[in-house]
Amino acid sequence: KNEVEQSPQNLTAQEGEFITINCSYSVGISALHWLQQHPGGGIVSLFMLSSGKKKHGRLIATINIQEKHSSLHITASHPRDSAVYICAVRSGSARQLTFGSGTQLTVLP
Amino acid sequence: NAGVTQTPKFQVLKTGQSMTLQCAQDMNHNSMYWYRQDPGMGLRLIYYSASEGTTDKGEVPNGYNVSRLNKREFSLRLESAAPSQTSVYFCASSEANGAPLHFGNGTRLTVT
Repeated sequence: KNEVEQSPQNLTAQEGEFITINCSYSVGISALHWLQQHPGGGIVSLFMLSSGKKKHGRLIATINIQEKHSSLHITASHPRDSAVYICAVRSGSARQLTFGSGTQLTVLP
Repeated sequence: NAGVTQTPKFQVLKTGQSMTLQCAQDMNHNSMYWYRQDPGMGLRLIYYSASEGTTDKGEVPNGYNVSRLNKREFSLRLESAAPSQTSVYFCASSEANGAPLHFGNGTRLTVT
């Protein structure tokens, strides 16, 4: 079973700061997902990637397959970015995703 | 466009009671999933349905049953609730296994 570790567990930033959340996994994967869980509990998929980099607005996700590591970056952070960010991986042809326990981000005005 | 709709949003059960969590999606997705989320742990898969007419166990299936009623609906049943089943339950769907997931808003279940 793939082990997924996220760091940091908690992160507090000031509005406007550049934020990085990290995800490491133990076994080779076919895809990695980043999700956002809002304070109200709803979960939204942000990215799915298997190589390189993807960008959507102020969010950027990168993955380094050799190092088994992915990062989620938020540029010009805003209080509305406050949420739990979750990394999940799919190993090879596995049907199941393995989820990290999440990073709680708080952006202060 | 409702996406994935879960009911109820909150439920309190006594040990031994039964209940069914309902989930419906209007995106014509083939695959549907039930997860539970517990404090300090990642989401864990209870059961999934890769396509209409099929269901498979996930990581933590004990104490649960599921029904893929049709392409839209996937229900989760607790036959005899236990305090260990206190959790937040999420239904999700995807176009196919491996595609991005779309989540419902969750059901917060407390078993006393």
